[in-house]
Amino acid sequence: GNSVTQMEGPVTLSEEAFLTINCTYTATGYPSLFWYVQYPGEGLQLLLKATKADDKGSNKGFEATYRKETTSFHLEKGSVQVSDSAVYFCALAITGGGNKLTFGTGTQLKVEL
Amino acid sequence: GAVVSQHPSRVICKSGTSVKIECRSLDFQATTMFWYRQFPKKSLMLMATSNEGSKATYEQGVEKDKFLINHASLTLSTLTVTSAHPEDSSFYICSAKAPRGYTDTQYFGPGTRLTVL
Repeated sequence: GNSVTQMEGPVTLSEEAFLTINCTYTATGYPSLFWYVQYPGEGLQLLLKATKADDKGSNKGFEATYRKETTSFHLEKGSVQVSDSAVYFCALAITGGGNKLTFGTGTQLKVEL
Repeated sequence: GAVVSQHPSRVICKSGTSVKIECRSLDFQATTMFWYRQFPKKSLMLMATSNEGSKATYEQGVEKDKFLINHASLTLSTLTVTSAHPEDSSFYICSAKAPRGYTDTQYFGPGTRLTVL
């Protein structure tokens, strides 16, 4: 079956630190990969996505590269801000699979001054 | 941007009663909506896919008679938890698929916290 594994949180960083949140996946088909972010009290929002191997998704300073050889889609940001504090979910959807998303467990990020 | 709302945001009910949760796409029409359930420190689990004007498609292990889904219009889907029990207490989240031709993105509601006493 399909599954997504994320590093456990919470991750606590100082402002302007470098962020990496690891995500690996297993899939029975050819997946598209996503990162969603959930700010406190809000719904999940799509942060970035990549639909094929070696694609890099980027948005708001965050980026992730679809690595087929390592089945990974790690999220990175060079300099985090307090406003980046949220829960980050890695997810996949199989092409032609009806847009069904399989989520990781989420990683909470706390950024402190 | 596309906005999806859920109502109520929190609900507390007695065991044996039924609870209805609404999911609305506020500024776009959604032919497909999804219902998820999230346990503490767990990932979102897809419960069912709701298609406007047709029966919902339930994931394996989800009781269709317990979790009734109705998608009567292009902007509204409802989830009714029937004869709720404490083990049904959870965070329920809906999402709406953007119209074809725009994007494959799903837009998520803020979730509904259900507590069954």
